[in-house]
Amino acid sequence: DTEVTQTPKHLVMGMTNKKSLKCEQHMGHRAMYWYKQKAKKPPELMFVYSYEKLSINESVPSRFSPECPNSSLLNLHLHALQPEDSALYLCASSPKSLTGGTEAFFGQGTRLTVV
Amino acid sequence: AQSVTQPDIHITVSEGASLELRCNYSYGATPYLFWYVQSPGQGLQLLLKYFSGDTLVQGIKGFEAEFKRSQSSFNLRKPSVHWSDAAEYFCAVAGNSGGYQKVTFGIGTKLQVIP
Repeated sequence: DTEVTQTPKHLVMGMTNKKSLKCEQHMGHRAMYWYKQKAKKPPELMFVYSYEKLSINESVPSRFSPECPNSSLLNLHLHALQPEDSALYLCASSPKSLTGGTEAFFGQGTRLTVV
Repeated sequence: AQSVTQPDIHITVSEGASLELRCNYSYGATPYLFWYVQSPGQGLQLLLKYFSGDTLVQGIKGFEAEFKRSQSSFNLRKPSVHWSDAAEYFCAVAGNSGGYQKVTFGIGTKLQVIP
């Protein structure tokens, strides 16, 4: 299994709603990532988890709340979002390597629309 | 800080013609370099990667890339383009920060293939 699975594929939510994005991998990777990609732009890193602990938060607003309940699962909890938060949210994972390069495996993304 | 420049935002080639997509990077140490491809509304698929060793790397779908340290470049090539290659191509650079990858993407090059 070399897949990163994201659910849902599409999500429409109101500005007062609370919703969650889910990401799952069973490759034994211990680093997991959330990226945000606006239309016609490259992906931008939001969060990095390493061994289930938050390692990087790229100054993301608190209305985005990540959670890594176990080594296979990564969630992104959403609350009080703004229309400008509409984007493709990509999850990725990579094997942990202290000495060499590793590659990130990306999921298909969740297309989020905030209305 | 690491960065990637893709000077061509949009490229159009005829089916069967050769292709070269340009990428220049900035990174203080030995970089880890990647090319990803993204079809509309989809996630990112890794085409190829360079960590060390042979500077000419082969990837999937007939793509190859050459790492040139003196020019800080990692250009992607394909000898004969197929209509199915039409997509967005992202060059990326990463450093190994304690076992996880902090990946920085270029702005992307959109490839259009005409009959």
